Amino acid sequence: DAKTTQPPSMDCAEGRAANLPCNHSTISGNEYVYWYRQIHSQGPQYIIHGLKNNETNEMASLIITEDRKSSTLILPHATLRDTAVYYCIVRPPRTSYGKLTFGQGTILTVHP
Amino acid sequence: SAVISQKPSRDICQRGTSLTIQCQVDSQVTMMFWYRQQPGQSLTLIATANQGSEATYESGFVIDKFPISRPNLTFSTLTVSNMSPEDSSIYLCSVRDKEKLFFGSGTQLSVL
Repeated sequence: DAKTTQPPSMDCAEGRAANLPCNHSTISGNEYVYWYRQIHSQGPQYIIHGLKNNETNEMASLIITEDRKSSTLILPHATLRDTAVYYCIVRPPRTSYGKLTFGQGTILTVHP
Repeated sequence: SAVISQKPSRDICQRGTSLTIQCQVDSQVTMMFWYRQQPGQSLTLIATANQGSEATYESGFVIDKFPISRPNLTFSTLTVSNMSPEDSSIYLCSVRDKEKLFFGSGTQLSVL
């Protein structure tokens, strides 16, 4: 599986955009990039996923570089409730959807 | 999105005993997944539970230690057997809905 590299922690001011980077330089052409987050004392929550194109939903935007070696998760207007551990995961297409390899993630702290 | 209920939410157990964790989903799902999150660590898949067949265990996890039942399409149990302090973790149930995984809130287990 492609390995991902994320900064261990980041800070963001409330109301500002939070841009969380992820490096996946060994990604294959048919591997998807997924983002999940885990708020303290809760199970992980799906945020967004993509293959090649940029994606946007009600929670966030996912920007994938043209060479697909890195991506950025964007929370456009971070709130205190967005403080969580954010996981960037690369999922091979033939891997069970349930078999996700979680790394250490990025601890995002949103402060007032 | 699937709604997952896990019981108990937390427990403190004595070494050598066993604990059974229940996972209930509000819709029928083919596969259910059990993850473990050790203190300060990320999530690791224990096994995949299919209805009507034996669970499939990941490397490092065995059926004698983590027996799983899957009596129907909405319910599963994970038993942590002959517990030791090293089993102190959060255990999470998850299900797939299309291309996403949904997680329960987890069972926090402490073994004394």
